[in-house]
Amino acid sequence: QKEVEQDPGPLSVPEGAIVSLNCTYSNSAFQYFMWYRQYSRKGPELLMYTYSSGNKEDGRFTAQVDKSSKYISLFIRDSQPSDSATYLCAPNAGNNRKLIWGLGTSLAVNP
Amino acid sequence: NAGVTQTPKFQVLKTGQSMTLQCAQDMNHNSMYWYRQDPGMGLRLIYYSASEGTTDKGEVPNGYNVSRLNKREFSLRLESAAPSQTSVYFCASSPGTGWNTEAFFGQGTRLTVV
Repeated sequence: QKEVEQDPGPLSVPEGAIVSLNCTYSNSAFQYFMWYRQYSRKGPELLMYTYSSGNKEDGRFTAQVDKSSKYISLFIRDSQPSDSATYLCAPNAGNNRKLIWGLGTSLAVNP
Repeated sequence: NAGVTQTPKFQVLKTGQSMTLQCAQDMNHNSMYWYRQDPGMGLRLIYYSASEGTTDKGEVPNGYNVSRLNKREFSLRLESAAPSQTSVYFCASSPGTGWNTEAFFGQGTRLTVV
C-alpha cells in the first residue's frame, strides 16, 4: 500500500464551483499536512498546511484533516480559471527530512 | 530574491552521454533535494542532502550521483544517460529538520534522452 493515495483526475469544473480534492494516507505518524499547487511547466509551490487534525482556512481555500480516517481534503470556493493546476498533498511525520508526495490531482476550471 | 535556480532548463542527450544538472539556492537552507517527475508516477526522490557535506539516497538513485558542493549548491550527475532517464527534474530546498519542512522548488529541467 502506498503511503499516500490521491486520485490523479483530471477534474473539470465550471468557474464558481466548489472543488473538493482529497488524499488518503496510511502512516499514523503523519502530523503535518501540506498542499502544494503546481502550474503547468512550473515547480510545485506550497499552498497551505495544517498541523494535526482540524480545519484551516485561507481565503477561498480550506484544508481539512481527519486523522481518525486518515483523510485529507482541500476545498476551493468560488473556483477561478487561475486555480487550474495540479494539486499535490504532502503529509509528513515532522521528524523526517523526506517529504511524502501524492501523485497530484489535475484540476481545470472552465470560464 | 531568486530562490532555487536550476540550469539548464532544457536538455537533449544521446544515450550514453553524461551531464550535470546544477542547482543553487539563496535562502540559506540546510536541506536540498533532487526529484524526478514522470506522468503517472508523481514526484520521486532521487537524492537528498540534509546538510552541507552529507548526501543520502532516495527512492530512485540508480544511474545518478550528487555533490553537495557547499551550502548553496547541489548538483545531479548522469554518468551514462539512458532513455529511461527522460523526465522533468526538480531541485528543491527546505529550511532543515523538524516539522517545518516546506520545500521550495526550482522551475525544473526538462531532459530528453534519445
